[in-house]
Amino acid sequence: AQSVSQHNHHVILSEAASLELGCNYSYGGTVNLFWYVQYPGQHLQLLLKYFSGDPLVKGIKGFEAEFIKSKFSFNLRKPSVQWSDTAEYFCAVNGGYQKVTFGTGTKLQVIP
Amino acid sequence: DAGVTQSPTHLIKTRGQQVTLRCSPKSGHDTVSWYQQALGQGPQFIFQYYEEEERQRGNFPDRFSGHQFPNYSSELNVNALLLGDSALYLCASTRDRVSAEAFFGQGTRLTVV
Repeated sequence: AQSVSQHNHHVILSEAASLELGCNYSYGGTVNLFWYVQYPGQHLQLLLKYFSGDPLVKGIKGFEAEFIKSKFSFNLRKPSVQWSDTAEYFCAVNGGYQKVTFGTGTKLQVIP
Repeated sequence: DAGVTQSPTHLIKTRGQQVTLRCSPKSGHDTVSWYQQALGQGPQFIFQYYEEEERQRGNFPDRFSGHQFPNYSSELNVNALLLGDSALYLCASTRDRVSAEAFFGQGTRLTVV
């Protein structure tokens, strides 16, 4: 069975600070990895995805994530956060045929 | 291009009742998955429909059932509602059964009292 673990439940940062959200997954085969974002009052949106190839993937709004196979990790990063990045972030894994397993989410609060 | 649409947006039901939630997938998508997102949790996979059949199922009881129509829209039915069924129910669609990029609707907030 596949599983996802997000280590940070609530993160508070000041604007311009750097961000790194941890995500570890468990699955025995090839996986697709995702980060989704949910802004207050809005639906889940895809931030970025990894299917294969370059393990460093870039998404929207300056976010990037690095897939480290040996560590079963897919951490999300952003060099300088903005107040508008305040949202909940979900790491997700898909081990086959679209059964996507989500982590419990990390609430990011950016203070102006 | 309409994204994934769900109805209703909010719903209040009494314990023991039955509820039906509806989902229209994004244009061009033929696969629909349903998720339950309890407060403070990530979405939990309920089941997936493709070609009008349930293809995969998560760890949810038989009280949760679904249907997919020829136009790819889908319904989620929950019977004998429990207080613990209160959650945000999300529908996601994908281009096909192989594509892994899911698009989500805004969800239906179900409250069971």
